[in-house]
Amino acid sequence: EAQVTQNPRYLITVTGKKLTVTCSQNMNHEYMSWYRQDPGLGLRQIYYSMNVEVTDKGDVPEGYKVSRKEKRNFPLILESPSPNQTSLYFCASSRSTSGTIPNYGYTFGSGTRLTVV
Amino acid sequence: AQTVTQSQPEMSVQEAETVTLSCTYDTSESDYYLFWYKQPPSRQMILVIRQEAYKQQNATENRFSVNFQKAAKSFSLKISDSQLGDAAMYFCAMVGANSKLTFGKGITLSVRP
Repeated sequence: EAQVTQNPRYLITVTGKKLTVTCSQNMNHEYMSWYRQDPGLGLRQIYYSMNVEVTDKGDVPEGYKVSRKEKRNFPLILESPSPNQTSLYFCASSRSTSGTIPNYGYTFGSGTRLTVV
Repeated sequence: AQTVTQSQPEMSVQEAETVTLSCTYDTSESDYYLFWYKQPPSRQMILVIRQEAYKQQNATENRFSVNFQKAAKSFSLKISDSQLGDAAMYFCAMVGANSKLTFGKGITLSVRP
């Protein structure tokens, strides 16, 4: 089954304790992205990647890191989580039929509910 | 910079009726794509429909169709024969050459039986 798998689904952690949310896709998509969803704010892009070793900042990158060493994986790293990073996080991937824009429509993972206390 | 605006936070529709969800956007790019996503209570993000900006023909997927007005930068979603399972939050989104998928803030649709 074609899918984006992110883990864990739920995570409660303490301020300052480094954590990684994993994301993997089995569709050979070039584009991958991380979003956070907060009430009243919609989904905001954290980081995105156009291909292996190519990443760029989204709208809210502060406090996050990513890496794209393999095409299928795009982990999100919080080096020192803070309570304002409590949110619902989504990983997503897309392919391109134009070669330059992820125009096919992103496929989303099931989300990770992160609480930082 | 590109922006997507959904000005209505909530809407309600009677089962079997038709409802239209509004969305406007702004971009300086000539090549871009527009989407509507559905997020039911399960919180899964589901792609509903996709529109290429260079196509004048409005996209249709079963009961879902769009009214794409490029000059007005408007991209509304019409749901025909509304069903209880259509109750969800709906997000309008766009992506351009910068590869950034930008979302509106969403609209909560309720369906009255």
